[in-house]
Amino acid sequence: DTEVTQTPKHLVMGMTNKKSLKCEQHMGHRAMYWYKQKAKKPPELMFVYSYEKLSINESVPSRFSPECPNSSLLNLHLHALQPEDSALYLCASSQETPYGYTFGSGTRLTVV
Amino acid sequence: GESVGLHLPTLSVQEGDNSIINCAYSNSASDYFIWYKQESGKGPQFIIDIRSNMDKRQGQRVTVLLNKTVKHLSLQIAATQPGDSAVYFCAENFLGDMRFGAGTRLTVKP
Repeated sequence: DTEVTQTPKHLVMGMTNKKSLKCEQHMGHRAMYWYKQKAKKPPELMFVYSYEKLSINESVPSRFSPECPNSSLLNLHLHALQPEDSALYLCASSQETPYGYTFGSGTRLTVV
Repeated sequence: GESVGLHLPTLSVQEGDNSIINCAYSNSASDYFIWYKQESGKGPQFIIDIRSNMDKRQGQRVTVLLNKTVKHLSLQIAATQPGDSAVYFCAENFLGDMRFGAGTRLTVKP
């Protein structure tokens, strides 16, 4: 398995909702990442987990809460989001930072 | 803050021609660089990488050149095909922190 799988592919949520994005990889990668990508813009790093520990948090608002339950799974919990948070959320993993970086196809999030 | 940027936001080439996509990076300490291709609705796809101790690396139809003196990275695509149409991002890494450039949209005309 050489893929990073993200679910759901599309998500529409209200500003008072709580939802979670999921990311899974079975390549034995020990680093996992969340990126946010707005239309026609490059991906922006949000969080980095290395060996299941949060190593980089790019000053992301607390309405985004990452979680790494084990080395294969990465979640992004969403609460009280704003319409400007609508974007493509990408997960990536790597063997050891930064080599072998592999991206998932992303979750297209719309906040209404 | 420091950022990675691109000289050209769009590039249009004729099918069969060679394409060159450029990228300027600003962190002289970056030690690893990657080119990604992103098609509409998909995540970035790895194309080729290069470490800072190299000047050139070749793959299948693609070549990456690194000029550390002027902090410049380029991606050359030989015999460009319609399937190469996408947005191309360069990314630089320093201590595990991967940063992306603005992206170039490549359009291949038949």
